[in-house]
Amino acid sequence: GENVEQHPSTLSVQEGDSAVIKCTYSDSASNYFPWYKQELGKGPQLIIDIRSNVGEKKDQRIAVTLNKTAKHFSLHITETQPEDSAVYFCAASTSNTGNQFYFGTGTSLTVIP
Amino acid sequence: SQTIHQWPATLVQPVGSPLSLECTVEGTSNPNLYWYRQAAGRGLQLLFYSVGIGQISSEVPQNLSASRPQDRQFILSSKKLLLSDSGFYLCAWSGLAGRADTQYFGPGTRLTVL
Repeated sequence: GENVEQHPSTLSVQEGDSAVIKCTYSDSASNYFPWYKQELGKGPQLIIDIRSNVGEKKDQRIAVTLNKTAKHFSLHITETQPEDSAVYFCAASTSNTGNQFYFGTGTSLTVIP
Repeated sequence: SQTIHQWPATLVQPVGSPLSLECTVEGTSNPNLYWYRQAAGRGLQLLFYSVGIGQISSEVPQNLSASRPQDRQFILSSKKLLLSDSGFYLCAWSGLAGRADTQYFGPGTRLTVL
């Protein structure tokens, strides 16, 4: 089955700096890669996603890149703000009937004012 | 627009007591539904998923069970809770069966077993 690894597990950056979180996956059939942000005590919220037919996607300060050959994808947050502090999860999925997601173990991001 | 509800928001139960957590989705039909558990400071563990009424797939052997009595209702149950059942339980839905698609999460239920 699919195995998703996520690094780093914790990340601290100064406000205004950039943050990068990386994930690798094992199943070449995976074709959908969402990123979620989870604030304390709340459910994860989708922040950006990318499909395997695209190499990069950007939404304001957030971008995701995908390298299918190397089987890795990354989340980039620029001009970080204190409200970006949260736990971020990556996931990988294939077009199977159940649309099962395989999640990374999460990155706790702290943006220091 | 679609919304997903979970209740209760928090629950404290003694060991050996039964459990019933409910999840409902509005604004969509025939969704895929999922139950996840998240231990403190840990990632998301898929417990069950359902592609239709009465269709439940279990991902891990455990003390819990799931049911889908209606199209947009998903219930997580246990006959006798264990200490290890404590955690944050999340329900999620997705659409477009057969296509990898976004999963949308509910607000979660914090379960503490004492």
